[in-house]
Amino acid sequence: NAGVTQTPKFRVLKTGQSMTLLCAQDMNHEYMYWYRQDPGMGLRLIHYSVGEGTTAKGEVPDGYNVSRLKKQNFLLGLESAAPSQTSVYFCASSSGTSVGNEQFFGPGTRLTVL
Amino acid sequence: GQNIDQPTEMTATEGAIVQINCTYQTSGFNGLFWYQQHAGEAPTFLSYNVLDGLEEKGRFSSFLSRSKGYSYLLLKELQMKDSASYLCAAPSYGGSQGNLIFGKGTKLSVKP
Repeated sequence: NAGVTQTPKFRVLKTGQSMTLLCAQDMNHEYMYWYRQDPGMGLRLIHYSVGEGTTAKGEVPDGYNVSRLKKQNFLLGLESAAPSQTSVYFCASSSGTSVGNEQFFGPGTRLTVL
Repeated sequence: GQNIDQPTEMTATEGAIVQINCTYQTSGFNGLFWYQQHAGEAPTFLSYNVLDGLEEKGRFSSFLSRSKGYSYLLLKELQMKDSASYLCAAPSYGGSQGNLIFGKGTKLSVKP
C-alpha cells in the first residue's frame, strides 16, 4: 500500500497563475483533509471531505477550492495564486469510523508563489 | 473557542527524559492526539488519549487530565532520532467530522 500520496512534491508559481494539487489514498478512507503548514503557525485546515462528492470549509478556506469526485482522490485548487499562499500543503485521510481514528498524512507539496 | 498551547522549543540530552506539555480549550472534548514530525517530513501518529491517565507505548508515554485541560508527552531514553517537532491536536466540532485543531508544535532538539 502506498498510503497517501501527493502530486507534485514541489512547485513554483507566479502570482495569478492557477494550479491543482492532487491527493490520492489507497486505504479506502472516507475522510480526507487539506492542511497548510507555515512557520510559527502550525497545521491549519483548509478544506475537508467526509465522503465522495462532499466537501466543507475548514479554518482557512479563502483562495482555495476542492473536489472529491472519487473516494480515493481529493483535489485542492488555487485559481489565482498569491504570495500569501506560499506554504507546505499536506493532505491527510482517516477512516472516520470513530473520533479516535488517526489521520494519515501525505509527504507534502512545497509551493512557492512569486 | 478552541485553542491549543504548547512550548515552541525544547532541548534535551541523549539518554535523558523529556516532558512536552500541552494545554487545550476545546468545545465538546473528544480526546487528544500527539503527532511527531521530522523536519521536511509528514506528521505521523504517536498517541490518542480520551480517558484520564497515562498510556505507555515503549519509550513514549502520553498523559491526559480532562479536568485540567492538560496533556503531556513523555519521551524516555532519548535518542538523536527523536529530534523532531511534536504536535498536540484535539478534535474540533465535537469530533463528528474528524477535524483536528493542531497546536503550533514543540521543536525538540536532542544533543549528544
